[in-house]
Amino acid sequence: AQSVTQLDSQVPVFEEAPVELRCNYSSSVSVYLFWYVQYPNQGLQLLLKYLSGSTLVKGINGFEAEFNKSQTSFHLRKPSVHISDTAEYFCAVTQGPGAGSYQLTFGKGTKLSVIP
Amino acid sequence: SAVISQKPSRDICQRGTSLTIQCQVDSQVTMMFWYRQQPGQSLTLIATANQGSEATYESGFVIDKFPISRPNLTFSTLTVSNMSPEDSSIYLCSVRLGETQYFGPGTRLLVL
Repeated sequence: AQSVTQLDSQVPVFEEAPVELRCNYSSSVSVYLFWYVQYPNQGLQLLLKYLSGSTLVKGINGFEAEFNKSQTSFHLRKPSVHISDTAEYFCAVTQGPGAGSYQLTFGKGTKLSVIP
Repeated sequence: SAVISQKPSRDICQRGTSLTIQCQVDSQVTMMFWYRQQPGQSLTLIATANQGSEATYESGFVIDKFPISRPNLTFSTLTVSNMSPEDSSIYLCSVRLGETQYFGPGTRLLVL
């Protein structure tokens, strides 16, 4: 079984400032990692994913995340946020290749509020 | 990726009634999932619906309360039966393509 911990439930940040949303995971097998974004009154949109290869992955809207296997982390970053980035962000994990389980496990979410 | 639509997008229902939520995908997929997102909470998997087999329910969810149909590879329905105010949530349909899950826009349900 796997689990995901998002360390901050709410993150306020001023417009054009950098932001980091933290995510740690736990799993006994290799994993795939995802970040989803949920804008107000909308469904979940895939922001980026790590499946294999380069540990730095780039996603939509200028976001990027770095997979750190030794620290079991997958933190999301953006160098300069915009008002339109105000949303809730979910980190999620599923077992990697050959694991036999497709269940996607979500963190509790981090609400990012961008202050003008 | 996949384009997923859900109907209705939102509804207000009386307790004791049932609501059927439809999920349509723009491509054929084997694995479809239904999630619930209670107010201010993360997503919880209700069940996995594979075409040609019975849905598999997660702990805490039963078929009598959340019957699911999966008549073909592009469509599924979730029924929320005998509703109570505790069923007020967002219900999301999801599909898996390769290693990635994609989500529909959700159905926002309020039970009075």
